[in-house]
Amino acid sequence: NAGVTQTPKFQVLKTGQSMTLQCAQDMNHNSMYWYRQDPGMGLRLIYYSASEGTTDKGEVPNGYNVSRLNKREFSLRLESAAPSQTSVYFCASSEVPGNTEAFFGQGTRLTVV
Amino acid sequence: GDSVTQMEGPVTLSEEAFLTINCTYTATGYPSLFWYVQYPGEGLQLLLKATKADDKGSNKGFEATYRKETTSFHLEKGSVQVSDSAVYFCALRKRAAGNKLTFGGGTRVLVKP
Repeated sequence: NAGVTQTPKFQVLKTGQSMTLQCAQDMNHNSMYWYRQDPGMGLRLIYYSASEGTTDKGEVPNGYNVSRLNKREFSLRLESAAPSQTSVYFCASSEVPGNTEAFFGQGTRLTVV
Repeated sequence: GDSVTQMEGPVTLSEEAFLTINCTYTATGYPSLFWYVQYPGEGLQLLLKATKADDKGSNKGFEATYRKETTSFHLEKGSVQVSDSAVYFCALRKRAAGNKLTFGGGTRVLVKP
């Protein structure tokens, strides 16, 4: 039972490079989310997809784009990486309604030099 | 907007000590409240939840009660173990706005033998 799978687990980028973080869930959840985790700041929502075919900005969307490819997959793209985007990125998924838990992937540690 | 505030860490305890982590929230409506735990090198996993006022969530010896009058959801454990060393996140979630989770900053707990 895989749950939420993120790839890659680690990545080092040079400033200005682009990359896509992949996320897939096998729980048939409608909603998917991308968070970034920075020391002392908890998890901040970058983008989310409440259902297949929809995406919305979260708290810190600048510098990122997302694609909800299908119900299973939700990717996060950095078009031109900056050192400020060095962080740990988590993908999560959940079913509605709002009192159900969200399931998280193992995270992607991204360093931009 | 919605927000969650939790006590800053790190919290350092001896084994078998009593643990309390304070969490307060600001939100309109009636959110569900969660505690997530993150062990070193891992993603977040649900520890416990409460979906309405006066509900008590409990799991693995941890407890938290949803107090609407004080907008709080403090986490407690009567006798901690070394294996409880982790980062603990308080979070809220509402049915509206994509059911997204809003997190506190996290509290690192270190239990020494």
